[in-house]
Amino acid sequence: GQQVMQIPQYQHVQEGEDFTTYCNSSTTLSNIQWYKQRPGGHPVFLIQLVKSGEVKKQKRLTFQFGEAKKNSSLHITATQTTDVGTYFCAGRMNYGGATNKLIFGTGTLLAVQP
Amino acid sequence: EAGVTQFPSHSVIEKGQTVTLRCDPISGHDNLYWYRRVMGKEIKFLLHFVKESKQDESGMPNNRFLAERTGGTYSTLKVQPAELEDSGVYFCASSLSPGGIGELFFGEGSRLTVL
Repeated sequence: GQQVMQIPQYQHVQEGEDFTTYCNSSTTLSNIQWYKQRPGGHPVFLIQLVKSGEVKKQKRLTFQFGEAKKNSSLHITATQTTDVGTYFCAGRMNYGGATNKLIFGTGTLLAVQP
Repeated sequence: EAGVTQFPSHSVIEKGQTVTLRCDPISGHDNLYWYRRVMGKEIKFLLHFVKESKQDESGMPNNRFLAERTGGTYSTLKVQPAELEDSGVYFCASSLSPGGIGELFFGEGSRLTVL
């Protein structure tokens, strides 16, 4: 079946270090979204990328969508303790227009040590 | 404006019992989704409603799971009879965009523990 894999599964950084999580799909995506889930919380939408090669920035966060629309990355510059949580990518796959199922990646758990 | 609300927040039942989870989406959101996260793993798609119609139920694990959305408002997800492997957090999400494209707004989740 369709799969969206993320690496690494877990990352522990010192506050101030950078962090990157990578997302790879087995099939071409129509768009990709990123969500953050704090410990004990629920996923919260961060951003959506639609175009091939698209790059978007939100303060210290940089999101990229690959040229082939099968991979994506999230980079956080100078992590802070508030960045702690699990980051999920979620790819939307078309099935001839019949459905727009959003498939979540396996997630990357980020721990930040002060 | 109220967000997506789910009830109960936590349910503990014994194997073989029945549990019904409820989700109230954001008012006006035609698209409603059920997802499940088991043991810190990925968030797995269960099904997608557009109003009262099941658009995609390909993620439903088996016929012990029944989802309904009568009247196109709130939705229920019933597990009968529950098995140990059904334990996890069940998230409901809704979206406004036509075709289900766009941001999903998640509820706080219903944590199900089957003993």
